[in-house]
Amino acid sequence: AQSVTQPDIHITVSEGASLELRCNYSYGATPYLFWYVQSPGQGLQLLLKYFSGDTLVQGIKGFEAEFKRSQSSFNLRKPSVHWSDAAEYFCAVCGGTASKLTFGTGTRLQVTL
Amino acid sequence: DADVTQTPRNRITKTGKRIMLECSQTKGHDRMYWYRQDPGLGLRLIYYSFDVKDINKGEISDGYSVSRQAQAKFSLSLESAIPNQTALYFCATSDLGTAHYNEQFFGPGTRLTVL
Repeated sequence: AQSVTQPDIHITVSEGASLELRCNYSYGATPYLFWYVQSPGQGLQLLLKYFSGDTLVQGIKGFEAEFKRSQSSFNLRKPSVHWSDAAEYFCAVCGGTASKLTFGTGTRLQVTL
Repeated sequence: DADVTQTPRNRITKTGKRIMLECSQTKGHDRMYWYRQDPGLGLRLIYYSFDVKDINKGEISDGYSVSRQAQAKFSLSLESAIPNQTALYFCATSDLGTAHYNEQFFGPGTRLTVL
């Protein structure tokens, strides 16, 4: 069975500082990996996705993520955080033809000014 | 215009009542999904459907039922609502006809409160 672990429940960073959100997955074959963001009171917005190819994936809003098969990780990064990045971030894995997404429990990002 | 819409956006109901949440999409996708979100638990899959004649249970289907009335419509029902079904519910779609059929597109969510 596929699973996702986001070990950090809550992270606080200062505006302008760099950010890395951790995501570890478990899946028997090559996974499809996603990062979603949920702003307060809003739905889910796709930040970026990995299907194959280049292991460094660029997304919207200046985010990027790197797929590391050896570490079963897909960490999300941003070089300089803006106050508007405060939100909850979800990593998800999808495998097989059923297209079922399995989500992590999320990381809530707080940005201090 | 929103591609995936959910109605209602907010609903407060009482224990024992029957509730239906509706999802419509204009993306032309064949696959549709229902998830619930609870604080600290992320999103969990309730039901999914690959076409009008195909309905599958997800990991937490007990207490829920679904209906795929058309390719574009997928409804979630709570036959007798209970307080622990209080949650944020999301509908999502994906398209088997593309190379990236694993990518799902989410609606804005329905916040359901069961008193």
